[in-house]
Amino acid sequence: GNSVTQMEGPVTLSEEAFLTINCTYTATGYPSLFWYVQYPGEGLQLLLKATKADDKGSNKGFEATYRKETTSFHLEKGSVQVSDSAVYFCALSAQAGTALIFGKGTTLSVSS
Amino acid sequence: GAVVSQHPSRVICKSGTSVKIECRSLDFQATTMFWYRQFPKQSLMLMATSNEGSKATYEQGVEKDKFLINHASLTLSTLTVTSAHPEDSSFYICSARRGVAKNIQYFGAGTRLSVL
Repeated sequence: GNSVTQMEGPVTLSEEAFLTINCTYTATGYPSLFWYVQYPGEGLQLLLKATKADDKGSNKGFEATYRKETTSFHLEKGSVQVSDSAVYFCALSAQAGTALIFGKGTTLSVSS
Repeated sequence: GAVVSQHPSRVICKSGTSVKIECRSLDFQATTMFWYRQFPKQSLMLMATSNEGSKATYEQGVEKDKFLINHASLTLSTLTVTSAHPEDSSFYICSARRGVAKNIQYFGAGTRLSVL
């Protein structure tokens, strides 16, 4: 079946450090891939998405590239800020309009 | 951006009581809403898909008589946990789908249910 595996946290970084959160998936066909972020006390927010192989999603300095050959969608940011501290979820949608399948989430803590 | 309101954010109840959680799409119509459950340090697990005007579709292992879902309008879906027990304590999250083509879901802030 379809599944998402992302690196376990917590990830603790200093401000301006480089961030990578690994995400790999298993799916039949051509899923859409997402990164969601959950700030403390808030709901999940869409951070970025990619709908086909080699697409790069980007937002707020974060990037992720849909790699079909490695079934990966790693999240990166060149210079993190304290305000980036949150839980990050990788997710896939097997078909348009279907529910999302989530990874377990990775907690990021950035200190100044 | 699109806003989904989920209420209440936190509820504490006695074992045996029923709890209703509301999920509203505030600025768009949502023919489909999803209900997820999240255990500590675990992923969000889909419980059911709620379609306006029809019966919800439940995932395998989710008791539909235990978790009643009603999607009576294009902006409101409710989840009722009936005769709640301590093992039902969890974090419940709803999402609303805005359009099929864009395949984007907007999430509520979640409801923390604690059953004593």
